[in-house]
Amino acid sequence: AQSVSQHNHHVILSEAASLELGCNYSYGGTVNLFWYVQYPGQHLQLLLKYFSGDPLVKGIKGFEAEFIKSKFSFNLRKPSVQWSDTAEYFCAVVDAGNNRKLIWGLGTSLAVNP
Amino acid sequence: DAGVTQSPTHLIKTRGQQVTLRCSPKSGHDTVSWYQQALGQGPQFIFQYYEEEERQRGNFPDRFSGHQFPNYSSELNVNALLLGDSALYLCASSSQDSGNSPLHFGNGTRLTVT
Repeated sequence: AQSVSQHNHHVILSEAASLELGCNYSYGGTVNLFWYVQYPGQHLQLLLKYFSGDPLVKGIKGFEAEFIKSKFSFNLRKPSVQWSDTAEYFCAVVDAGNNRKLIWGLGTSLAVNP
Repeated sequence: DAGVTQSPTHLIKTRGQQVTLRCSPKSGHDTVSWYQQALGQGPQFIFQYYEEEERQRGNFPDRFSGHQFPNYSSELNVNALLLGDSALYLCASSSQDSGNSPLHFGNGTRLTVT
């Protein structure tokens, strides 16, 4: 069965620090991968996605993620975080041939101190 | 603006009661998915509707049922409510014509069962 593991449940950083949130998935087939963000009091928003092609994908607000197929990983990175990046971050995966059921990680709560 | 609208935003019910949650998809979207997000957890897939039919279902009991209308809007019904059904219920829409289009989420309905 598919599963998604996010390594860090709570992360606290100071502004300008670099960010890397780990995400590993378990699935033997071809997958599409997503990172979503949920700012306090707001709906889930898509940060970035990987379907195919260049494994380094860039998203909104300076975020990027790298798909490493051999490691079943899709880690999220940002070189310099801002206070406004404080949010919950979710990694999700779906079977590329069956875009119906997103499997989600538990989420990582990021707090950025000014 | 989420594009996906859900109602109501908050709801308090008693154990054993029934509840109906509503969702209007983003304009141009024809597919609606429902997710349950318990506190501190990632969203869990309940089911997806397309062409007024349930296309796939997650690991939820039959107490959870749904419906999609010709205008693509959808309802989630939960019968015989349990305390454990307390959660944020998320509706997400997408378009079949866009292939593996990412989901657009509504703000959710916060259900509290007492």
